[in-house]
Amino acid sequence: NAGVTQTPKFQVLKTGQSMTLQCAQDMNHEYMSWYRQDPGMGLRLIHYSVGAGITDQGEVPNGYNVSRSTTEDFPLRLLSAAPSQTSVYFCASSYSRGYAEAFFGQGTRLTVV
Amino acid sequence: DQQVKQNSPSLSVQEGRISILNCDYTNSMFDYFLWYKKYPAEGPTFLISISSIKDKNEDGRFTVFLNKSAKHLSLHIVPSQPGDSAVYFCAALPSNTGKLIFGQGTTLQVKP
Repeated sequence: NAGVTQTPKFQVLKTGQSMTLQCAQDMNHEYMSWYRQDPGMGLRLIHYSVGAGITDQGEVPNGYNVSRSTTEDFPLRLLSAAPSQTSVYFCASSYSRGYAEAFFGQGTRLTVV
Repeated sequence: DQQVKQNSPSLSVQEGRISILNCDYTNSMFDYFLWYKKYPAEGPTFLISISSIKDKNEDGRFTVFLNKSAKHLSLHIVPSQPGDSAVYFCAALPSNTGKLIFGQGTTLQVKP
């Protein structure tokens, strides 16, 4: 039981490049989310999903796309990276709204130059 | 518009003493509150939670208090241990969604 797995752990991008941050969970959780952590800002919700095929925007969705084709996977896409997207990204999953205790991945540290 | 606020960026306490971390919120629709702990280079881990129908929840050394009229919650750690040194995040869940909203975090340092 691996929990929530994020890849890669580190990434450097040039401005304008695209990439996908991967997130997979093996706990059969319905709820999955992406957060970014910036100094002094805490964890801010980017996008969120309540099940396969269903996604919704969080607090800071601009510049990011998501899709949820399976229960297990919830990739985050940066279509055209900008320096403002330099951050640490965390993926999280939880069983349902009634069990709100989310499990987090180890994070992806992204630098956009 | 920060709906969940942790106004103290840092807190330092002596080992064995009580640590009190505070959190304020503005949204009356929050009905579930959680505390997470985060060590450097790791993801946050769940610590303790409380429903809005309660005013206290206890789990070992950790107790969370909720004051709905003041829109304030606090996490008490007694006794504090050096291994408790970490960043603590307060989080809240609105009643109509599953979107967990986090505060800015408080860095706790417990000195031996």
